[in-house]
Amino acid sequence: SQTIHQWPATLVQPVGSPLSLECTVEGTSNPNLYWYRQAAGRGLQLLFYSVGIGQISSEVPQNLSASRPQDRQFILSSKKLLLSDSGFYLCALRPGSLYNEKLFFGSGTQLSVL
Amino acid sequence: AQTVTQSQPEMSVQEAETVTLSCTYDTSESDYYLFWYKQPPSRQMILVIRQEAYKQQNATENRFSVNFQKAAKSFSLKISDSQLGDAAMYFCAYRSAQASGTYKYIFGTGTRLKVLA
Repeated sequence: SQTIHQWPATLVQPVGSPLSLECTVEGTSNPNLYWYRQAAGRGLQLLFYSVGIGQISSEVPQNLSASRPQDRQFILSSKKLLLSDSGFYLCALRPGSLYNEKLFFGSGTQLSVL
Repeated sequence: AQTVTQSQPEMSVQEAETVTLSCTYDTSESDYYLFWYKQPPSRQMILVIRQEAYKQQNATENRFSVNFQKAAKSFSLKISDSQLGDAAMYFCAYRSAQASGTYKYIFGTGTRLKVLA
């Protein structure tokens, strides 16, 4: 079965500092990968998704970016964090096998920008 | 663009009773998937139930069942015999199943369910 590794669980960063959150997956090939953000007490906002290596679709214009350098690696980055970037970041995957439409989630990273 | 709406920010239910969470969606597509996810205090997202739009029969998973009304674009979740462990945030989600569709999963804003002992 598929596994999603997401770290760290908690991160506190100053405004203007860079960010790199990494998500790695196991147990599936050619997955679709996603980054979601959940603001305090609110719903899930889709930030980026990827259907393959080097293929990134951005949903929300902002100072965040994503990259997929390997099939099972998805990275969320920022050159300069803003206060509004605070939130709970979730990595998710849709397995690469056909007819499997379930979305699986990692355990998330709570990012506080101060 | 597709949208998912959950109009109940918070619901309460007495233990052992039944509660229904509402979800409506907007799409011009005919083929899609609908989901309910649970987010307990641990914040780990858990799939509760899934429905394919082409299936007329409502999905059921133990105490969880859905009422899928395709024409009305409604997808409600019924929790029977509510338990304290059901207390969580519940999210409704949509994903296109069409070959020309995207792979985006669109989530609603969530409904916080409280279970009263």
